[in-house]
This record gives sequence, structure tokens and C-alpha cells, in this order.
Amino acid sequence: ETGVTQSPTHLIKTRGQQVTLRCSSQSGHNTVSWYQQALGQGPQFIFQYYREEENGRGNFPPRFSGLQFPNYSSELNVNALELDDSALYLCASSSQGGTEAFFGQGTRLTVV
Amino acid sequence: GENVEQHPSTLSVQEGDSAVIKCTYSDSASNYFPWYKQELGKGPQLIIDIRSNVGEKKDQRIAVTLNKTAKHFSLHITETQPEDSAVYFCAASMGGLTGGGNKLTFGTGTQLKVEL
Repeated sequence: ETGVTQSPTHLIKTRGQQVTLRCSSQSGHNTVSWYQQALGQGPQFIFQYYREEENGRGNFPPRFSGLQFPNYSSELNVNALELDDSALYLCASSSQGGTEAFFGQGTRLTVV
Repeated sequence: GENVEQHPSTLSVQEGDSAVIKCTYSDSASNYFPWYKQELGKGPQLIIDIRSNVGEKKDQRIAVTLNKTAKHFSLHITETQPEDSAVYFCAASMGGLTGGGNKLTFGTGTQLKVEL
């Protein structure tokens, strides 16, 4: 059974650019959630995808958007990057109706 | 929305001692409380969880207790070892969103250091 995998592991972008982060869910899991973790803080919920549709969103602006594909993998897109977007972006997968969320290793995004 | 507070922010114990981390939550509708361990450069790892219909759960050296009335839950680690050193996060959730998993609200983390 494969775990949650994220790519890339590290990324440096310039303010104003756009970025796409990718996540492959754990085998058998059809729900993917994205979290932002600033340095020294707990993860903050961005949104969740289930059956290829957004299924809940946290307090993040519309320039944070996502997709889920038929194989349950997911992308997080961030437009018009700001310096404060620098963080560890975590993807977590869950099974349908399940409460346990399993996290990937994260993508470290640095905006300069 | 839900708010989770976690204490202490740092905890240093001697190897073999016990460690206790406490969290409080604000929304009485929350019914699922996981604990995660995060090592440097890695994603959070689920180590134990408890649901609101249970007061205590134990898994080897790790236990979690829940007081729904007071909206408290705690992580207890006994016989601590150097490999227990990491950041620990508590979280709360209202269970599954419609048709899917759940949104977790995390505490701010506790840096546990186990000294030899």
C-alpha cells in the first residue's frame, strides 16, 4: 500500500508568479485535503476535494484553487504569489466517510 | 469556527519520564480528536486518535484522554525515549464533511525534547 506522495519537495518562486503543487492520495482513499503550515505553526485547512469537487474550504482567498482527478490525485494552484505564501504545503488523504487523515511529506514553497 | 489551544509549547523531559500535552477546544460539535507527531522535514504522522464516545484510549506507551464536558483532551507518553523527540500537534474535527473526510483544526504544537 503506497502512502501519500507530494511533488515537488521544494520550490522557489518569485512574488506574483503562479505555482502548482501535486499530491497522490494513499491507495483506496478518495478524499484529499490541503493544508498550509507556516513556520512554527500548526497546519491550516485550505480546502478538501471529494469526487472531483471542492467539499469544504478554509479561510483562504480565491487565488488558492485546486483540482481532483478521476484517480483521486489532486493539485493545489496558487496565483499571484505573495511573500506570506511561503510555507510547507501538506496534502492529506482520507477514505470515504473516514475520519483518519494521512499526510504526505509536504512541499516547501519559498516566495522571494 | 473551531479553535484549539495547546500547552505547553515546549516540553523537556528526561529519558524514561512521562510527558503530558494538553489541548482544549471550543466547539462542542467536535467529535474526533487525533494527535500527530511531526519530525523535522517530514509531514505529520497520525499516532493516536479518540472519538467523542470514548473517554480514554491507549496504544502501548501512548494514551489519550478526553473530557467532553470540559472540552479538554490530553496526550500521555510514558517511558519516553530519545526517538519521541519531535513536535506534537493535537487537532479537532466535526467528523466527515458531506460525503468525504474531515476538516482538522490544529493546535499550535508542542516541541518535545527527551534528554538522555
